[in-house]
Amino acid sequence: ETGVTQSPTHLIKTRGQQVTLRCSSQSGHNTVSWYQQALGQGPQFIFQYYREEENGRGNFPPRFSGLQFPNYSSELNVNALELDDSALYLCASSLGGLAKETQYFGPGTRLLVL
Amino acid sequence: AQSVTQLDSHVSVSEGTPVLLRCNYSSSYSPSLFWYVQHPNKGLQLLLKYTSAATLVKGINGFEAEFKKSETSFHLTKPSAHMSDAAEYFCVVSDHGGGSQGNLIFGKGTKLSVKP
Repeated sequence: ETGVTQSPTHLIKTRGQQVTLRCSSQSGHNTVSWYQQALGQGPQFIFQYYREEENGRGNFPPRFSGLQFPNYSSELNVNALELDDSALYLCASSLGGLAKETQYFGPGTRLLVL
Repeated sequence: AQSVTQLDSHVSVSEGTPVLLRCNYSSSYSPSLFWYVQHPNKGLQLLLKYTSAATLVKGINGFEAEFKKSETSFHLTKPSAHMSDAAEYFCVVSDHGGGSQGNLIFGKGTKLSVKP
């Protein structure tokens, strides 16, 4: 176990709704990254937060947004859900946002959009 | 831009035989490379990482990988497969993005099956 936790584990929403996913980072880590893993694919980078500031963003539309709190936990918010947003959402925590830092992954939240 | 290509989408071996999962990378910078494993309905677990130290990297559960700059490869090997090794394996390069950005770029994955 990595010490990274995510909630909820599963979620079902309908198209057009909004969703908030939560991640608690491993103790001592100040960086959280979010990834989307569609079925049968490798994870794709959404964005990263380092000390409460966004520190990089992948090719995702603005309806994907996030927050990092003073305790370094994080939220991923998705507005106006689309069917293609159905995926496993993974968060990873690390000590610092540098390329060489190991990212430790949580178990993921599986989102189904109907 | 960095990218990763996993050359086999599916590898099948018999228990006790060697495992080879192939990965080629493309990077404008001196890369950081990782192998992660994902068991069904589980998160990702780090097997090993390369960050410009020794080119032969040893990981958990008997896995190792060799960084070959001339071949831009980072293949994962294990001398003897175990049934519990059956899982999806991802080769990953870290995007340096000028030195401050550390997002991970994943390959499409290789599914390893182990036959008794």
